Amino acid sequence: DADVTQTPRNRITKTGKRIMLECSQTKGHDRMYWYRQDPGLGLQLIYYSFDVKDINKGEISDGYSVSRQAQAKFSLSLESAIPNQTALYFCATSDSRPPLVETGFRNTDTQYFGPGTRLTVL
Amino acid sequence: RKEVEQDPGPFNVPEGATVAFNCTYSNSASQSFFWYRQDCRKEPKLLMSVYSSGNEDGRFTAQLNRASQYISLLIRDSKLSDSATYLCVVDAYSGAGSYQLTFGKGTKLSVIP
Repeated sequence: DADVTQTPRNRITKTGKRIMLECSQTKGHDRMYWYRQDPGLGLQLIYYSFDVKDINKGEISDGYSVSRQAQAKFSLSLESAIPNQTALYFCATSDSRPPLVETGFRNTDTQYFGPGTRLTVL
Repeated sequence: RKEVEQDPGPFNVPEGATVAFNCTYSNSASQSFFWYRQDCRKEPKLLMSVYSSGNEDGRFTAQLNRASQYISLLIRDSKLSDSATYLCVVDAYSGAGSYQLTFGKGTKLSVIP
């Protein structure tokens, strides 16, 4: 079973509809993230959460909201979808307490991604 | 200046070739550096972290030059399975007591038989 899962995997919706994308993880990580990826633009951070009670805006949070229902669950909502929110959305997790590797380097912020949700807003 | 810049490619190389990707970053406060690999329509996956002294993992070698704010990835003896987009990733203090990752747009590699 995948460690980071996203539902749905594909969604087509209409302008103005409310959409929720869900992310679950079994890695036991405390940190979770939502990104969007557009062709030619790379990954952009929408929101991130370092703990159940912690929510932070990323670089492109306008038009989005999130909820961290539990350590293992982080959902992204589009309250009123618009066509320029058509993109590939990724959830990711990381561990704030990673082990030291043999070089003495603490591999902070290594992120593990879910399979992505392809969202199309018509 | 963009925070993390990469040559988008595509790099089309024959099997067995050596290929190098470069990446520059603008935030001198960055402390952690990574290369991720992303296959078409798939999620990014960590390829390797980049250590200050440089590091090697099989056919892959990563180098960091903090003075020039420059990261490189060298792939030796390219395989068909190396065909993917390679993302340069840098973290930086966000000003809120925590770090965020900044992703480059990626360099596309196609290894040709």
